[in-house]
Amino acid sequence: AQSVTQLDSHVSVSEGTPVLLRCNYSSSYSPSLFWYVQHPNKGLQLLLKYTSAATLVKGINGFEAEFKKSETSFHLTKPSAHMSDAAEYFCVVSVGGGSQGNLIFGKGTKLSVKP
Amino acid sequence: DGGITQSPKYLFRKEGQNVTLSCEQNLNHDAMYWYRQDPGQGLRLIYYSQIVNDFQKGDIAEGYSVSREKKESFPLTVTSAQKNPTAFYLCASSGLYGGEQFFGPGTRLTVL
Repeated sequence: AQSVTQLDSHVSVSEGTPVLLRCNYSSSYSPSLFWYVQHPNKGLQLLLKYTSAATLVKGINGFEAEFKKSETSFHLTKPSAHMSDAAEYFCVVSVGGGSQGNLIFGKGTKLSVKP
Repeated sequence: DGGITQSPKYLFRKEGQNVTLSCEQNLNHDAMYWYRQDPGQGLRLIYYSQIVNDFQKGDIAEGYSVSREKKESFPLTVTSAQKNPTAFYLCASSGLYGGEQFFGPGTRLTVL
């Protein structure tokens, strides 16, 4: 069965320090992986996606993620946190082709950024 | 601008009432989805539709109904059979062959 686990429900960093949000996945297939961000009471916005091309994926707002098949991980990083990065982040796996509602969402990691 | 709109932003329902949440997209996407979001639960799929006049149940379809009469529109009705409807509801769309989904701004439903 396919699944995605976000290892931390809450991460707190100081402004200007690195961000690491951890995600592990389980999939019988070669997955597509995504990170989405959600600000309070807003919809989800795509940060970046991995679709079996380069394993290091660059996204918007300085975020990037590395696909590591041997570790079944897709951790999200940013070198220097900004106050505007405070939000909830979702790791998502797409399992198989087609649009049959086959996105599986992690439970989310809430990122707090201290001044 | 292309995108997905949801209305209303906030909705209050009395127990026993049906309410309908609107979702419209102008991205020319074939597939549309409804999700429910509860704190600490991530997103759970309610219904999805790949084509006009066709839709499929997701993981938590009980107490909800949908229609897909137009490609651009995918309204969700929360019926009185849904025992705990208070939640944040998100609509999304994608191309026919899946991949990334584009999300609307959401509707927050509260039962009084």
